[in-house]
Amino acid sequence: AQSVTQLGSHVSVSEGALVLLRCNYSSSVPPYLFWYVQYPNQGLQLLLKYTSAATLVKGINGFEAEFKKSETSFHLTKPSAHMSDAAEYFCAVSDLGGSARQLTFGSGTQLTVLP
Amino acid sequence: DAGVIQSPRHEVTEMGQEVTLRCKPISGHDYLFWYRQTMMRGLELLIYFNNNVPIDDSGMPEDRFSAKMPNASFSTLKIQPSEPRDSAVYFCASSLGAGFGQPQHFGDGTRLSIL
Repeated sequence: AQSVTQLGSHVSVSEGALVLLRCNYSSSVPPYLFWYVQYPNQGLQLLLKYTSAATLVKGINGFEAEFKKSETSFHLTKPSAHMSDAAEYFCAVSDLGGSARQLTFGSGTQLTVLP
Repeated sequence: DAGVIQSPRHEVTEMGQEVTLRCKPISGHDYLFWYRQTMMRGLELLIYFNNNVPIDDSGMPEDRFSAKMPNASFSTLKIQPSEPRDSAVYFCASSLGAGFGQPQHFGDGTRLSIL
């Protein structure tokens, strides 16, 4: 069975500082991994996805994530936080061992950007 | 391009009433998903369809919940009778194709409050 753990339900950073949101997954087969962002009163938007090509994946809004098989991690980073990055971020996993097409979501990390 | 469209955006009703949530997926997408989001339980997959056929409804909480997809461009999620514990944000998402790496595209959700 696949699962996702997001360490830290709340993360605060100063504007201009590095953003690091942590995601660890559990999967018995090579996974597909996703990061989504949710702004207030909106649905989830895809930031980026890993599908077994390059291990460093670049997404929208300056975000990127690195797949590390040895650490079973897929942490999300952005070099310089902007006020508009304040939102909730979800990591999700899908794999061939799970029920077809299902995504398993982490519990989310609320990012606050301080001026 | 039009995204996933959900209606209504907000619904407030009294306990015992029937509630119908509606979703129009992205044109051409062949998978449709219904999720529920609450503070306590996070994002939960309720049911998903492939080519209008329900594939997995194991996440539907009770017989009070039912979902239909009469055609490729419309789906409903119905709760009858509704209860206060059904209060949540309900999301519809759609995706295209057979690959496990295909992302899901979310609507803006329906915020449901049962009094």
